[in-house]
Amino acid sequence: GENVEQHPSTLSVQEGDSAVIKCTYSDSASNYFPWYKQELGKRPQLIIDIRSNVGEKKDQRIAVTLNKTAKHFSLHITETQPEDSAVYFCALPLGADGLTFGKGTHLIIQP
Amino acid sequence: ETGVTQTPRHLVMGMTNKKSLKCEQHLGHNAMYWYKQSAKKPLELMFVYNFKEQTENNSVPSRFSPECPNSSHLFLHLHTLQPEDSALYLCASSHLGQGNSPLHFGNGTRLTVT
Repeated sequence: GENVEQHPSTLSVQEGDSAVIKCTYSDSASNYFPWYKQELGKRPQLIIDIRSNVGEKKDQRIAVTLNKTAKHFSLHITETQPEDSAVYFCALPLGADGLTFGKGTHLIIQP
Repeated sequence: ETGVTQTPRHLVMGMTNKKSLKCEQHLGHNAMYWYKQSAKKPLELMFVYNFKEQTENNSVPSRFSPECPNSSHLFLHLHTLQPEDSALYLCASSHLGQGNSPLHFGNGTRLTVT
């Protein structure tokens, strides 16, 4: 199946600063790029996604950018707040059914 | 309310026990999934059911046996598990047929095998 590499595994930023998490992939046919957030003890939830016909999508403080030539997509969080502390996963379609996930990034917001 | 309900929330079982995990989705979706989440492999796909037909079995040991009686219900039957099977088991659903669509996860069952 499609492999997706996610970096970094842990990211610590000062409250108010920006955070960027990056995922790279190998299958050029991939056309759907979601990001999930999982808070401690809770389920993963979709926070933003992008399809391959656009290069960037923004929703308030979060944005996703896609570079299909370089085969990577990134999650950007600006003006970070304590409630942004969580594990973030990128994902890619697994054939026609389901998603394969990156290994996750533990984002820590330092007060 | 998540739209995807899993029971039980926690389960402790011995290696010789037989138990089942249950998942129900109230979102009108037509595909359901089992994922395993552990420290070693954060979100690992186990099984996919598309319109009640199993379309993916990701090299899962036979001690895990899924069942999907209809598009709203999914079970994972467990027997003779090993301690390394201790993990969070997450059920998810999605709507296929409109291109790729997001997964909606349940809150999971925390399984401990003793």
